[in-house]
Amino acid sequence: GAVVSQHPSWVICKSGTSVKIECRSLDFQATTMFWYRQFPKQSLMLMATSNEGSKATYEQGVEKDKFLINHASLTLSTLTVTSAHPEDSSFYICSAWGGGEAKNIQYFGAGTRLSVL
Amino acid sequence: DQQVKQNSPSLSVQEGRISILNCDYTNSMFDYFLWYKKYPAEGPTFLISISSIKDKNEDGRFTVFLNKSAKHLSLHIVPSQPGDSAVYFCAASYTGTASKLTFGTGTRLQVTL
Repeated sequence: GAVVSQHPSWVICKSGTSVKIECRSLDFQATTMFWYRQFPKQSLMLMATSNEGSKATYEQGVEKDKFLINHASLTLSTLTVTSAHPEDSSFYICSAWGGGEAKNIQYFGAGTRLSVL
Repeated sequence: DQQVKQNSPSLSVQEGRISILNCDYTNSMFDYFLWYKKYPAEGPTFLISISSIKDKNEDGRFTVFLNKSAKHLSLHIVPSQPGDSAVYFCAASYTGTASKLTFGTGTRLQVTL
């Protein structure tokens, strides 16, 4: 299957700082990338959908000014958690969709655990 | 509104036996279904999928069955192996678009020796 790399895998930061998470599709061009958040023992909740070169579409209840998403190329999307607070601590996962043979299949990164102190 | 449900939060199966994981959905517009496997602190790994035009899809030890009238799908793993122990998520989407997946709540499978 397709490979999606997510970095960093774990980050600890102080309250009020910003954190950037990168998501790269390594062996295919990702037309669309998705960002999810998972709380302990819960399902994956979609935060936003990003298409290369255009603004991200955020799900209801997700603050777009807090969670900045940039999809500058077909292989890279970034999520920046701005002015992070302890309640932002969570597991963030990206996925990429490339179309073609990967039709309807999203391939996921390994996730980033964010801990805000 | 939970459109995709996995009513069994956990399942324990002996090695070599069949594991059956179930998933129900409420939105009749869904026409593509996927199963993902997830280990703790890792991203989900795609396992198998099925389109609504089919009622069965098989890939090695994994078989997914779809019953559209009942809005139900199931994943069969046979024979189950200890390495299959993980959380399994079913997900649903609409074909033809880079559409978002709606995930179920997951079932934790434990395969015992």
